[in-house]
Amino acid sequence: DVKVTQSSRYLVKRTGEKVFLECVQDMDHENMFWYRQDPGLGLRLIYFSYDVKMKEKGDIPEGYSVSREKKERFSLILESASTNQTSMYLCASSPGRQFNEQFFGPGTRLTVL
Amino acid sequence: AQRVTQPEKLLSVFKGAPVELKCNYSYSGSPELFWYVQYSRQRLQLLLRHISRESIKGFTADLNKGETSFHLKKPFAQEEDSAMYYCALRGIGNEKLTFGTGTRLTIIP
Repeated sequence: DVKVTQSSRYLVKRTGEKVFLECVQDMDHENMFWYRQDPGLGLRLIYFSYDVKMKEKGDIPEGYSVSREKKERFSLILESASTNQTSMYLCASSPGRQFNEQFFGPGTRLTVL
Repeated sequence: AQRVTQPEKLLSVFKGAPVELKCNYSYSGSPELFWYVQYSRQRLQLLLRHISRESIKGFTADLNKGETSFHLKKPFAQEEDSAMYYCALRGIGNEKLTFGTGTRLTIIP
């Protein structure tokens, strides 16, 4: 059974803080993704990674960066959190390019005050 | 550019009635289409994909390239179908998924 875990279910931070969201998958998947989920806007892709140390911008990368030092771990970084980054953040992973189901983590509800 | 449109944010249906969740897409080639579902307090998960042409939990979806649609249907709604449903598109040679804005389905007992 594929398991994607996220470090926190709920997180409260202050404006200007540096925020790290961690995601770990245990199925040796090549691809990992970070989305934010907002009511009325659906899921929007922030960044994704095809392999270790590789990253590509998604549709809304501004204000975010990512790190993938190990295959199983994909971190989302908010360099200086702002209130408009209050959202639900979902991590997902999928096997190599021939397979296309994405497996999602439980999400992190981030509130920036 | 690829785009997915789900015109209904909310949909309420009586138990036992037919359900149809609409999904239209925009893509210049031949896409792969998916429906993902998120039940209350559960993580987002794949419901079905068009290439499988299978029925999952009584739901089916047919890709209509002429109308660029991939509507999700079920003949008789059940209370456990209440959830958030997202339609998603994957372009050829691309691992990215583009999601629609979602439809919250509520089944009225």
